[in-house]
Amino acid sequence: AQKVTQAQTEISVVEKEDVTLDCVYETRDTTYYLFWYKQPPSGELVFLIRRNSFDEQNEISGRYSWNFQKSTSSFNFTITASQVVDSAVYFCALSLGGLYGNKLVFGAGTILRVKS
Amino acid sequence: NAGVTQTPKFQVLKTGQSMTLQCAQDMNHEYMSWYRQDPGMGLRLIHYSVGAGITDQGEVPNGYNVSRSTTEDFPLRLLSAAPSQTSVYFCASSRPPRGGGQNNEQFFGPGTRLTVL
Repeated sequence: AQKVTQAQTEISVVEKEDVTLDCVYETRDTTYYLFWYKQPPSGELVFLIRRNSFDEQNEISGRYSWNFQKSTSSFNFTITASQVVDSAVYFCALSLGGLYGNKLVFGAGTILRVKS
Repeated sequence: NAGVTQTPKFQVLKTGQSMTLQCAQDMNHEYMSWYRQDPGMGLRLIHYSVGAGITDQGEVPNGYNVSRSTTEDFPLRLLSAAPSQTSVYFCASSRPPRGGGQNNEQFFGPGTRLTVL
């Protein structure tokens, strides 16, 4: 069975601080996909990134960066120079390939509070 | 495109009542899913569908039914509501994997907040 663990329930930072959200996953499959979603206070779920198990390249998108390490089964998310608008719940999720592609397993989420 | 739409946005039911949560998408996505979100537990998969006429159970299917008669619609039915079904329900859709099996991201609807008294 697949499992995603986000050990940080809640993080509070002051604006402009860097913050890293941890995600650890478990699966016995060699083909899998990892995702990060953002849920702002308005409640919708916003897709941030997808990474497949064969691509360990780190990715940077503006102030966001992701570090994927298969050796530690982790897919961590860093926000550089945080802003108040980054305040949200962030979810890490995993899916397997093929017909199981729309079966997402979510972590419990990390609440990020950015204070001005 | 409207994307994924869900109705109603809010609903209050009494124990034992039945109702249908509606979900529609206009992106011609073959894959659709229903999740429930509970505090401290993230989102959990209830049912999913890989195309019209094909549905299967997810992690927490008990108490819920689904059907998929068209590509666009994927309603979720609560046959006899229970307080344990108080939750926020999200519908999602995605394209099937591309050639080589690359999974696509799921697009989520705005959610339905359900309270069962």
